[in-house]
Amino acid sequence: GENVEQHPSTLSVQEGDSAVIKCTYSDSASNYFPWYKQELGKGPQLIIDIRSNVGEKKDQRIAVTLNKTAKHFSLHITETQPEDSAVYFCAASRGNAGKSTFGDGTTLTVKP
Amino acid sequence: SAVISQKPSRDICQRGTSLTIQCQVDSQVTMMFWYRQQPGQSLTLIATANQGSEATYESGFVIDKFPISRPNLTFSTLTVSNMSPEDSSIYLCSVVGQGRMNTEAFFGQGTRLTVV
Repeated sequence: GENVEQHPSTLSVQEGDSAVIKCTYSDSASNYFPWYKQELGKGPQLIIDIRSNVGEKKDQRIAVTLNKTAKHFSLHITETQPEDSAVYFCAASRGNAGKSTFGDGTTLTVKP
Repeated sequence: SAVISQKPSRDICQRGTSLTIQCQVDSQVTMMFWYRQQPGQSLTLIATANQGSEATYESGFVIDKFPISRPNLTFSTLTVSNMSPEDSSIYLCSVVGQGRMNTEAFFGQGTRLTVV
């Protein structure tokens, strides 16, 4: 089955700096790669996703890149703000967004 | 988007007992998904619940331990049976719907279960 590895497990940045979280996956048939933000006491919420026919996608301060050959994808957050502090999960699936394999999560702390 | 309500939001249960978690969605969906999130860890898919058929379980999860019902297109229940402290986790219901990112997964707020 699919295996998703996520690094780092914790990340602390100063407000305004950039944050980068990286994930690798094992199943070459995976073609959908979402990123979720989970705040305390809440379920994960999709913040951005990318499909295997695209190499990069950007949404305001958030961007995701995908390297299919190397089987890795990354989340980039620019101009970080304290409200970006949360746990971030990457995931991979074979097209069904509901059936995803998740990474272990990254706890991001943005210091004001 | 899809709005998902889970009940209860949290519970503390005695070992050996069972707990049924309810998931209600504000729109009709074909598939509903149940995940487990152990303390400080990632999400693991337990099963996929389809209306009108038996749930499909992932490796490591069995129907006797996690029976699932799916009586209609907006509702599902997950029961955690014969609980032990190792079952202490957050259980999350998820559906796929149309959102800002086109087709995406939506999650309920979770049910935090503590087994003592």
